[in-house]
Amino acid sequence: RKEVEQDPGPFNVPEGATVAFNCTYSNSASQSFFWYRQDCRKEPKLLMSVYSSGNEDGRFTAQLNRASQYISLLIRDSKLSDSATYLCVVNMGGRAGGTSYGKLTFGQGTILTVHP
Amino acid sequence: DTEVTQTPKHLVMGMTNKKSLKCEQHMGHRAMYWYKQKAKKPPELMFVYSYEKLSINESVPSRFSPECPNSSLLNLHLHALQPEDSALYLCASSQDLTNHQPQHFGDGTRLSIL
Repeated sequence: RKEVEQDPGPFNVPEGATVAFNCTYSNSASQSFFWYRQDCRKEPKLLMSVYSSGNEDGRFTAQLNRASQYISLLIRDSKLSDSATYLCVVNMGGRAGGTSYGKLTFGQGTILTVHP
Repeated sequence: DTEVTQTPKHLVMGMTNKKSLKCEQHMGHRAMYWYKQKAKKPPELMFVYSYEKLSINESVPSRFSPECPNSSLLNLHLHALQPEDSALYLCASSQDLTNHQPQHFGDGTRLSIL
């Protein structure tokens, strides 16, 4: 089983649609969670951190379910500019000095295309 | 605009050349990272520096040699690379290595090995 798994898509949605991405992680000791977006031939950019209580930033809502080891990202009222690859990223945790301390593990990414 | 600056943006080199990739951040971050990314794949971690000391080396071949001259700069020295090393090389930084810190990426160096 992969450490971080995402549905690769692609998701093709019309403008204005609501779309949801899911992600599961294998390590129950994982400490922190993020969604990044990456445009074609560009660097990953932090979209939002994911908190235990869930959090919202404008049209974007992130949820975390630690019991099910599951993270989601909901995008409402999709815009053409939302077209990108969305990366689910997990910090597996670990102790200072350990081999996984500070290390991020990336999912394979979910491709979203928003069309007119 | 990214707050992590990488140079050069593009690099083409032969297998016998020696070159260096540079990364700079002025956010006061004390952790810096090198990643390699192939097309349609997520970034793969190569090295982690924390307070200018190498913290993680993900079994990277010795033809890649990282250097952290000070808290703002991170270099990646390249020597005798192979065609399969052609990729996007991304630098990132975070406040420190504590587990809740997100990483911020530079826009990368696109490397082609002839």
